[in-house]
Amino acid sequence: AQSVTQPDIHITVSEGASLELRCNYSYGATPYLFWYVQSPGQGLQLLLKYFSGDTLVQGIKGFEAEFKRSQSSFNLRKPSVHWSDAAEYFCAVAPTGGGNKLTFGTGTQLKVEL
Amino acid sequence: DAGVIQSPRHEVTEMGQEVTLRCKPISGHDYLFWYRQTMMRGLELLIYFNNNVPIDDSGMPEDRFSAKMPNASFSTLKIQPSEPRDSAVYFCASSLRQTNQPQHFGDGTRLSIL
Repeated sequence: AQSVTQPDIHITVSEGASLELRCNYSYGATPYLFWYVQSPGQGLQLLLKYFSGDTLVQGIKGFEAEFKRSQSSFNLRKPSVHWSDAAEYFCAVAPTGGGNKLTFGTGTQLKVEL
Repeated sequence: DAGVIQSPRHEVTEMGQEVTLRCKPISGHDYLFWYRQTMMRGLELLIYFNNNVPIDDSGMPEDRFSAKMPNASFSTLKIQPSEPRDSAVYFCASSLRQTNQPQHFGDGTRLSIL
């Protein structure tokens, strides 16, 4: 069965600093990979997705993620964090064999200090 | 384009009462998902539909929970009778048919059972 691990439950960064949120997955092949963001009181919004091809994918709000097959990782990055980026971030995987069922990580809560 | 629409946004009711949550997916989407989010268990998939047919309900916690999708533009999640441990935020999401299509989430229903 596939699984997703987000090892950091909470992360605090200063505004303007760089950010990296970690995500590791367990799956028999290369899955489809997603990052979602959840602001308080709202649903999850897709930041970016990886299916194949270039291992560095660009998303909305200045985020990017890099797929590393050898490390089974899909870490999310942003060069300069803004206060409005404070939210919870979820990594998710979907099987490539069919079906749209997502497996989510437990999330990383990001706090931004001004 | 209208996103996934859930109603009500908030529901407070007493233990033992029937609760019905509603979801309108994005027009043209073939898949519909119901999730539950709590602090203790994170984001859990309860059930999902493909073309109005339930595909996997293994996440439904017990017989008190039921879900229907009578047509392509409407789904309900019902809890009867409700219990305090059902208090959570319930999300509905929809996606297109293809495996690599992301899920689009509604803003959720915050349910409190007293």
